[in-house]
Amino acid sequence: EAGVTQFPSHSVIEKGQTVTLRCDPISGHDNLYWYRRVMGKEIKFLLHFVKESKQDESGMPNNRFLAERTGGTYSTLKVQPAELEDSGVYFCASSPRTSGFSQETQYFGPGTRLLVL
Amino acid sequence: AQSVAQPEDQVNVAEGNPLTVKCTYSVSGNPYLFWYVQYPNRGLQFLLKYITGDNLVKGSYGFEAEFNKSQTSFHLKKPSALVSDSALYFCAVRDPLGAAGNKLTFGGGTRVLVKP
Repeated sequence: EAGVTQFPSHSVIEKGQTVTLRCDPISGHDNLYWYRRVMGKEIKFLLHFVKESKQDESGMPNNRFLAERTGGTYSTLKVQPAELEDSGVYFCASSPRTSGFSQETQYFGPGTRLLVL
Repeated sequence: AQSVAQPEDQVNVAEGNPLTVKCTYSVSGNPYLFWYVQYPNRGLQFLLKYITGDNLVKGSYGFEAEFNKSQTSFHLKKPSALVSDSALYFCAVRDPLGAAGNKLTFGGGTRVLVKP
């Protein structure tokens, strides 16, 4: 079974530019999460999709960040315009949705390392 | 609010010696606790989790963790460390009854260096 995949693995952009990150969850997983680790600090939650619906977007830092999951499969996270403080590693995770889904393990992708210059 | 603390930024241990990575947590209810590991240039890999039941949880690669409710701790342990265990370890918590929903709250990570 393929794991969570993310593209690109690395991205270097200039301040003010736009970047779009993509996440493909494990097939059949309804739950999809975005997290990020900025400046070597804690990994912080950004948002949670259940299928195509945003369940929780309380961690989104501001309106420069837009996440979508059209069709409930892969997800994109767009940063527009990018700022220096957006540099970090963006992780995607997925989990199935069962009756006891709060106990489920979230499986993470390899991350996208974003550097804004 | 839920929180996690990993008090050590780095742990150094000689190969063959026991390895312990510390984690303490704070939640309003009974916690769900997780350990993940990040090897160099790789993503986060799940090691083990505590949901309920036996306080000693066994996971991948010979790791185990002990849930201690009175000390609000969930330390990760391995009886005999390998050089290949050198990596970044993250502890995470979820409060199933709290307002945080299904998201994980992570500690800052502990870098483990196992020397030959």
